[in-house]
Amino acid sequence: DVKVTQSSRYLVKRTGEKVFLECVQDMDHENMFWYRQDPGLGLRLIYFSYDVKMKEKGDIPEGYSVSREKKERFSLILESASTNQTSMYLCASSFSELAKNIQYFGAGTRLSVL
Amino acid sequence: GDSVTQMEGPVTLSEEACLTINCTYTATGYPSLFWYVQYPGEGLQLLLKATKADDKGSNKGFEATYRKETTSFHLEKGSVQVSDSAVYFCALTGEYGNKLVFGAGTILRVKS
Repeated sequence: DVKVTQSSRYLVKRTGEKVFLECVQDMDHENMFWYRQDPGLGLRLIYFSYDVKMKEKGDIPEGYSVSREKKERFSLILESASTNQTSMYLCASSFSELAKNIQYFGAGTRLSVL
Repeated sequence: GDSVTQMEGPVTLSEEACLTINCTYTATGYPSLFWYVQYPGEGLQLLLKATKADDKGSNKGFEATYRKETTSFHLEKGSVQVSDSAVYFCALTGEYGNKLVFGAGTILRVKS
């Protein structure tokens, strides 16, 4: 079974703090993704990576950065957390080959910024 | 750009009732279409998919047919159970990419 593990289920941070959200997958997937989930808005793509050290902006990258130093690990960084970044964050991974590009999701990290 | 529109919820049904959750899309070319489900406290998991026109995806009693003429991919189940209570997301990937575009999600509540 594919496993996508997010390091924390719940996080509480203060405005201005630097926040790291970690994601690890065990299926040797090339692609990894970070989404945020907000009620009524569905999932919105923040950043994705199709290879080690490669990254591309998604639909809402402002206020975020990412790091992919190893194939299995993809980190989301909030440089200076703000209250409007309070949300559920979901990590996903997939193969690049189109015929096998089903995305597998982690359980999510619920982040509260106070 | 590509987009997905699905019916607003919450949808509340009694056990054994029929379910339809509407989903329509806008995309260029020939997208692949998906339904994902999110059970309480969990991440999303793939429920079913269809990759070309007239394909029917099915899983766990749920079905959806890729209708290119109406740009739709409605989710149906003939008899829902309490355990089907979850949030359902319709999504697509473009013809040449593997980024998912999601609808807003529909909450389903099934009462016993």
